[in-house]
Amino acid sequence: NAGVTQTPKFQVLKTGQSMTLQCAQDMNHNSMYWYRQDPGMGLRLIYYSASEGTTDKGEVPNGYNVSRLNKREFSLRLESAAPSQTSVYFCASSEATGAGGKLFFGSGTQLSVL
Amino acid sequence: SQQGEEDPQALSIQEGENATMNCSYKTSINNLQWYRQNSGRGLVHLILIRSNEREKHSGRLRVTLDTSKKSSSLLITASRAADTASYFCATDSNSGYALNFGKGTSLLVTP
Repeated sequence: NAGVTQTPKFQVLKTGQSMTLQCAQDMNHNSMYWYRQDPGMGLRLIYYSASEGTTDKGEVPNGYNVSRLNKREFSLRLESAAPSQTSVYFCASSEATGAGGKLFFGSGTQLSVL
Repeated sequence: SQQGEEDPQALSIQEGENATMNCSYKTSINNLQWYRQNSGRGLVHLILIRSNEREKHSGRLRVTLDTSKKSSSLLITASRAADTASYFCATDSNSGYALNFGKGTSLLVTP
């Protein structure tokens, strides 16, 4: 039972490079989320998808794009990476379509932008 | 914006002692959740308490909710070294579609 799987686990980019963080869940959940975690800042929501085919901005969406490819997969793209995007990125999913359900998290992607 | 705020930021206790962490939030909620994060890992859901509940138990965990004070507490009884982790409270956001997390309490339990 894999739960939420994120790839890659680690990535180093140079400023201006692009990359896509992949996330897949095998629990048939409706909602999926991307958070970033920075020291002293807790988790901040980047984007979320309440259902297949829909995406919405969270608290810190600038510099990111997302795709809800199907019910299982929700990817996060950095088009032109900046040092301020150095962070740990977590994907999460929930059976609920609103904020009332519990979240299941992936193990994270540690991204460094030089 | 972050809704919940945990207190203290860091807590160090010995095995067998109880650990209490507090969470304050700003606006009305439907439910409040607590999560644990071990170093280098993703967050794991611990317990959910609804706005019409005052107390909830799960094993060695006890959560209370006071909606009049907009606060919650997480009590871990008879702590173990394996409880060493960061603990986060999370509340419904204003949009109703995502949880807002606090900055967490870092708990260290020494043998």
